[in-house]
Amino acid sequence: GENVEQHPSTLSVQEGDSAVIKCTYSDSASNYFPWYKQELGKRPQLIIDIRSNVGEKKDQRIAVTLNKTAKHFSLHITETQPEDSAVYFCAASTVGGANSKLTFGKGITLSVRP
Amino acid sequence: DGGITQSPKYLFRKEGQNVTLSCEQNLNHDAMYWYRQDPGQGLRLIYYSQIVNDFQKGDIAEGYSVSREKKESFPLTVTSAQKNPTAFYLCASSLGTTLAGELFFGEGSRLTVL
Repeated sequence: GENVEQHPSTLSVQEGDSAVIKCTYSDSASNYFPWYKQELGKRPQLIIDIRSNVGEKKDQRIAVTLNKTAKHFSLHITETQPEDSAVYFCAASTVGGANSKLTFGKGITLSVRP
Repeated sequence: DGGITQSPKYLFRKEGQNVTLSCEQNLNHDAMYWYRQDPGQGLRLIYYSQIVNDFQKGDIAEGYSVSREKKESFPLTVTSAQKNPTAFYLCASSLGTTLAGELFFGEGSRLTVL
């Protein structure tokens, strides 16, 4: 089955700096890669996703890049703000497969220092 | 106000007792999911259902049971066979069944076994 790993497990940045969170996946058939943000005590929420037919997607201060050859994808947050502090989960799935399901990584705790 | 509702928010159980967690959605979503969240373990899939009266095991189904008698409801029973039931449980739903769309999560239920 699919195995999704996130590195590092924690990340601390200064407010205004950029943050990059990386994930690797094992199943070359995976073709959908969402990122979820979970603030302390709240539910996870989708912040951005990417499909395997594109290499990059942007939405204001966040972007996701995908390298299918290396089987890794990354979340980029620019001009970080204290409200970006949260746990970020990456995930991968194979859309359309007979037993497709979404596999999450273990999460990365991002702390933005004011 | 559309959304996904879990209850109870906090639950305490004695060893050997079964407990049922409720999950209701009024989003008219076809698919529903149960995840377990433990510190440092990410989100692990317990069960999922893509259609009424049908459901599939996820990665950690042992000791759990579900039913999907109505489109709106997907209750999870944590049985006495679950060896380590203390955890945070998240229910989610999605509009489609291809696992390439946004998951909408409930606020979660925290189960503590005394």
